[in-house]
Amino acid sequence: DAKTTQPPSMDCAEGRAANLPCNHSTISGNEYVYWYRQIHSQGPQYIIHGLKNNETNEMASLIITEDRKSSTLILPHATLRDTAVYYCISYNNDMRFGAGTRLTVKP
Amino acid sequence: DSGVTQTPKHLITATGQRVTLRCSPRSGDLSVYWYQQSLDQGLQFLIQYYNGEERAKGNILERFSAQQFPDLHSELNLSSLELGDSALYFCASSVGGGGGNSPLHFGNGTRLTVT
Repeated sequence: DAKTTQPPSMDCAEGRAANLPCNHSTISGNEYVYWYRQIHSQGPQYIIHGLKNNETNEMASLIITEDRKSSTLILPHATLRDTAVYYCISYNNDMRFGAGTRLTVKP
Repeated sequence: DSGVTQTPKHLITATGQRVTLRCSPRSGDLSVYWYQQSLDQGLQFLIQYYNGEERAKGNILERFSAQQFPDLHSELNLSSLELGDSALYFCASSVGGGGGNSPLHFGNGTRLTVT
């Protein structure tokens, strides 16, 4: 089973930052934290990943706590097209997805 | 475009039949993963292959089997199909064998309908 915990749903106003939390308290030292999202029934889309340090790319920022037991995905300026299910995963071998967080961006 | 190609996009078949889903990974990727997603359900990991060898197995039924060929494309075979097998089937690929600094890239899926 997935080793991460995410809130089932969140809302965000368009143009505001969306902060999606994830708990991974049993993460091992060499396990990366990955974030993906799935828009409707499309194939999941890779967003970002990290090990210890905070990461940023053109899509999002990833903040990992110093103890690595939790992380936050930040979408700096959410748009309606960011409405999706967001999955946080920590894994070392097979990639098992949990239920994710359904983010709804509202006008 | 993720670079992962899945065919066919849609498949409609009857109960008891057998189908084959095909996946071509991104160029350079050695691992292929298969997932099943039933209506309004999460992604269920089925199986992973790395460079032709089975690497990890998830909730894959005995009626289902997969393989990865020398050219690294993969096929998922579903037999004795039941109504409950109707789902989206996704393939993903990655450079590495699993874990580590190697993101998965997903195809657009095959929608299987069993009638």
